[in-house]
Amino acid sequence: DIQMTQSPSSVSASVGDRVTLTCRASQGISSWLAWYQQKPGKAPKLLIYAASNLQSGVPSRFSGSGSGTDFTLTISSLQPEDFATYYCQQSDSFPLTFGGGTKVEIK
Amino acid sequence: EVQLVESGGGLVQPGRSLRLSCTASGFIFGDYAMSWVRQAPGKGLEWVGFIRSKTNRGTTEYAASVRGRFIISRDDSNGIAYMEMNSLKTEDTAVYYCTRGRAVTRESRLDYFDYWGQGILVTVSS
Repeated sequence: DIQMTQSPSSVSASVGDRVTLTCRASQGISSWLAWYQQKPGKAPKLLIYAASNLQSGVPSRFSGSGSGTDFTLTISSLQPEDFATYYCQQSDSFPLTFGGGTKVEIK
Repeated sequence: EVQLVESGGGLVQPGRSLRLSCTASGFIFGDYAMSWVRQAPGKGLEWVGFIRSKTNRGTTEYAASVRGRFIISRDDSNGIAYMEMNSLKTEDTAVYYCTRGRAVTRESRLDYFDYWGQGILVTVSS
């Protein structure tokens, strides 16, 4: 199975900050990566697919990049509604696997 | 508006069975793959399995942790996806999410989940 490792596990940031989250795959996965946002008690929400494609309706402050084994999700200017946990997910091969998540907290 | 609504969860004893349903609306159900993702209390997300559209033969894939115990099926005429969970274990305790699966290229792939249900709790305990 492909292991997905997210770092950091949590980050404290302020409104307006630029935040970069990292996801690393245990082997190359080309661009088969998606990012999700999850708020407490809610279902995850798709943000990015195929590493860099913004899902319809998602604010443009979110962007994704990377290929192979290293990927990033960047929030260009953190907003109050962005405090949540973010997960990456690979689809290069079955079983699909998720990273352990990065929690973005208010500083 | 796309909606996915799970039902059938609850408390069940180890070794017993439970069937989850996912009722879909707002899209042509038969055109899409459907998948299940679970989240144990306080933990991260775990992909459970999925069923391809009938166009892609309606075949299934499962995570190793549930293969042979869980069975995913679909009723395209009523827009419902099912997951039959057998020989349940305490480690199957989780919120189960029904999701719509999408592919970037070939439709037989599963690349991401663009819509999610609200989730339903399954508790396996004696």
